[in-house]
Amino acid sequence: DGGITQSPKYLFRKEGQNVTLSCEQNLNHDAMYWYRQDPGQGLRLIYYSQIVNDFQKGDIAEGYSVSREKKESFPLTVTSAQKNPTAFYLCASSRGSHEQFFGPGTRLTVL
Amino acid sequence: QKEVEQDPGPLSVPEGAIVSLNCTYSNSAFQYFMWYRQYSRKGPELLMYTYSSGNKEDGRFTAQVDKSSKYISLFIRDSQPSDSATYLCAMSQSGGSNYKLTFGKGTLLTVNP
Repeated sequence: DGGITQSPKYLFRKEGQNVTLSCEQNLNHDAMYWYRQDPGQGLRLIYYSQIVNDFQKGDIAEGYSVSREKKESFPLTVTSAQKNPTAFYLCASSRGSHEQFFGPGTRLTVL
Repeated sequence: QKEVEQDPGPLSVPEGAIVSLNCTYSNSAFQYFMWYRQYSRKGPELLMYTYSSGNKEDGRFTAQVDKSSKYISLFIRDSQPSDSATYLCAMSQSGGSNYKLTFGKGTLLTVNP
């Protein structure tokens, strides 16, 4: 059953903590993406990766970091430098076309 | 002017109505156009994908692209309560290997039984 999985579904972070969001895909897609969604803001691109061991900053990369050591995995770390991290985080992948397919999302809340 | 404009609604219609959702854009380099459906607290689901101008139909859904007017539409025929969701338009440029999508902010649709 192919698809994109994200974990955890809900995540709570204390001030000053780093947290890592998981994204895994078994679609054999080359490209993977991380977006942030805030109410009334739409989706904003954080980072994207077109091949293993390579990634580029999106529009709002400050306070975030990523790695792409495997084709199937693209974890996102929300660092303490991200001043307003409470949001819904969405991971997506594409096979080299413009169609992107999304995971179920992780809702991060700062306590 | 934002690159992609989409009326946030909310839009409320009775079951069986024809729904029209729209986006306008300013970047004439956009060539690929998508519509996503997003249920509350879920990830977006790709509904329609079109290239350049023209129409594309899939069941009750029809996507239209008018590049001369920089205007795209999604029509839903015989709308159902299960169509109640936020609809996002997205678009991208041709050329290169960067498939960055630019999204509208979404239109919240409610179909009342």
